[in-house]
Amino acid sequence: AQTVTQSQPEMSVQEAETVTLSCTYDTSENNYYLFWYKQPPSRQMILVIRQEAYKQQNATENRFSVNFQKAAKSFSLKISDSQLGDTAMYFCAFMNVGDKIIFGKGTRLHILP
Amino acid sequence: KAGVTQTPRYLIKTRGQQVTLSCSPISGHRSVSWYQQTPGQGLQFLFEYFSETQRNKGNFPGRFSGRQFSNSRSEMNVSTLELGDSALYLCASSPGQGNSPLHFGNGTRLTVT
Repeated sequence: AQTVTQSQPEMSVQEAETVTLSCTYDTSENNYYLFWYKQPPSRQMILVIRQEAYKQQNATENRFSVNFQKAAKSFSLKISDSQLGDTAMYFCAFMNVGDKIIFGKGTRLHILP
Repeated sequence: KAGVTQTPRYLIKTRGQQVTLSCSPISGHRSVSWYQQTPGQGLQFLFEYFSETQRNKGNFPGRFSGRQFSNSRSEMNVSTLELGDSALYLCASSPGQGNSPLHFGNGTRLTVT
C-alpha cells in the first residue's frame, strides 16, 4: 500500500528565513502525482505546488519549490523568504493515476516575527 | 467562480444519531471527494464520486456513505454516530481528470457527545 510520511510534526522559523519540509512516500508505481497542500487556521486546504513523477524538473511556484528525488522517493518543499502568512499546517500528498489521494499526517509550520 | 461550499460549518450530535453533510462543488467540477481530518489520524480519504458514481472508496465502515446528484452536489451520511466520529469533514471538488488539483471547502466540524 502507498504511504506518505512527514517526519517533522512541527517546525518554527523566523520570518524571511528559508525552511524545508520533508516528505517521503512509498509506492511500486512509476506514474503518479505529488502535491503539497497548505491548511491555514481558516481550515481551508489550498494547493501549494504539484509535481508529475515523469517530469525530472522540480516544480516551482514563486517562493515555493520542491526537491523531487524519484529514486529516493522523496518530495521536500522549500519555502524561501518565509512570511507570517505562511504559518499553517502543510500536507504532502501522493496520488496514483486514477486512484485516491493519500495525505501525510502534516507538518505544523510557525513563522515567527 | 464560487468555491466549494460545505454546510453546515458546525454540528453537534449525540451518539447513536445520524448526520448528513452537504457539499456543493465548483461549477463544472464533476468529481467530489470526502475526507475525515482528526488530530491523531490526519487526513483520511472517505470516498470519491464522479458523475453520480462512486469511483474510489477508503477504509471506513459502512456507517459512512455518500451520494452525488446530477448537479454534482454531494452528501455524506454517517449513521449510528460514535464518539470517534468527531472530526473535521472536508469535501473537495475537481474536474476529475488526471492530476487536476483538488479544491477544498472549509469543512464541517462534527462533534459527537
